[in-house]
Amino acid sequence: DGGITQSPKYLFRKEGQNVTLSCEQNLNHDAMYWYRQDPGQGLRLIYYSQIVNDFQKGDIAEGYSVSREKKESFPLTVTSAQKNPTAFYLCASSIGADSPLHFGNGTRLTVT
Amino acid sequence: RKEVEQDPGPFNVPEGATVAFNCTYSNSASQSFFWYRQDCRKEPKLLMSVYSSGNEDGRFTAQLNRASQYISLLIRDSKLSDSATYLCVVPGAGNQFYFGTGTSLTVIP
Repeated sequence: DGGITQSPKYLFRKEGQNVTLSCEQNLNHDAMYWYRQDPGQGLRLIYYSQIVNDFQKGDIAEGYSVSREKKESFPLTVTSAQKNPTAFYLCASSIGADSPLHFGNGTRLTVT
Repeated sequence: RKEVEQDPGPFNVPEGATVAFNCTYSNSASQSFFWYRQDCRKEPKLLMSVYSSGNEDGRFTAQLNRASQYISLLIRDSKLSDSATYLCVVPGAGNQFYFGTGTSLTVIP
């Protein structure tokens, strides 16, 4: 079955360490997205990519980096520059304009 | 003005009740609209897509009012399992999506 896979489901890191969250999709979607969700809050866009080798900053890109070397993959790196990295991270993809987002099951990152 | 606005609730309704949520959007050119359901500590899941005046799927009905720029979600005969947060999502320019903050629903036995 087609879908989006995020790994790991839970991730624990010490403050000051960079960490990379994986997102892979086999839906053949061009557009991919990373969102952050904090408890009781809505989703906020970190980065998005509409095509391979291209990506744009979202509303809260500071302290994060991404790459899009393959259509299927859109990894997110949470750097030590991100002040409050503990959150629920959601990856999503879409076939294009006016089509819905499909979400992965998320990665819950805890930084202590 | 936010791109998408929802009443955060919470809505607490008894089993079997009918409940409706509204979502207003600012871009009059929007052509598609989506309702997602999000359970606690889980990812949002697509509930309904709306491309014209509305859509119906069992106990769920979504209606679009372009003149007033809002989309509603109606849930009939509420079940305990309907308890969740309901997100309104509207695509924007450049393949971006705008999210409402979500409406919390609790169905009470």
